[in-house]
Amino acid sequence: QKEVEQDPGPLSVPEGAIVSLNCTYSNSAFQYFMWYRQYSRKGPELLMYTYSSGNKEDGRFTAQVDKSSKYISLFIRDSQPSDSATYLCAMSARAGNNRKLIWGLGTSLAVNP
Amino acid sequence: DSGVTQTPKHLITATGQRVTLRCSPRSGDLSVYWYQQSLDQGLQFLIQYYNGEERAKGNILERFSAQQFPDLHSELNLSSLELGDSALYFCASSGDRNTEAFFGQGTRLTVV
Repeated sequence: QKEVEQDPGPLSVPEGAIVSLNCTYSNSAFQYFMWYRQYSRKGPELLMYTYSSGNKEDGRFTAQVDKSSKYISLFIRDSQPSDSATYLCAMSARAGNNRKLIWGLGTSLAVNP
Repeated sequence: DSGVTQTPKHLITATGQRVTLRCSPRSGDLSVYWYQQSLDQGLQFLIQYYNGEERAKGNILERFSAQQFPDLHSELNLSSLELGDSALYFCASSGDRNTEAFFGQGTRLTVV
């Protein structure tokens, strides 16, 4: 079993829809949870960053962490064509004197005008 | 702009050759990560350096090596290149908390 599972999609929605992107994980030691957006063949850019359980909102984006279910979500409200990209989840846990960063494979999202 | 700089942006080379990819992390970041992303594949972690020392190793081939220099820039060396090594190579850096990482724009390597 992979430490982080993410449905690769593709996900196609009409403009203005609410988008829900999800990742599940198996390692209860993960403490930091991140969502990155990657436009085609560009470097991933950090969208949201949360520590432990709870919600965090930034404009049209909301990140949600449920540590009891080992499940994280990214919601995009009023989706726009410019949101079309691949969304990657990432999680961080301490491993000895280091932190390991584990990535989902990414979900491809297309928002259609 | 993430503050992470990668050079070159594009590289075309022949099979059997050796190339060096360069990464300058964000100012003050001590950790550098290298990733490989093949067409339609996810990010594959290769190796991490922290303040000049190797910290973690992922799926890095023996033909590949990396180092981090005293000024914290890092180089990824790829040798005996094969067609299958064609991919995007990303460098990322993070600070002391080693949590969120910031990515460069990548080097697109094409092996012909």
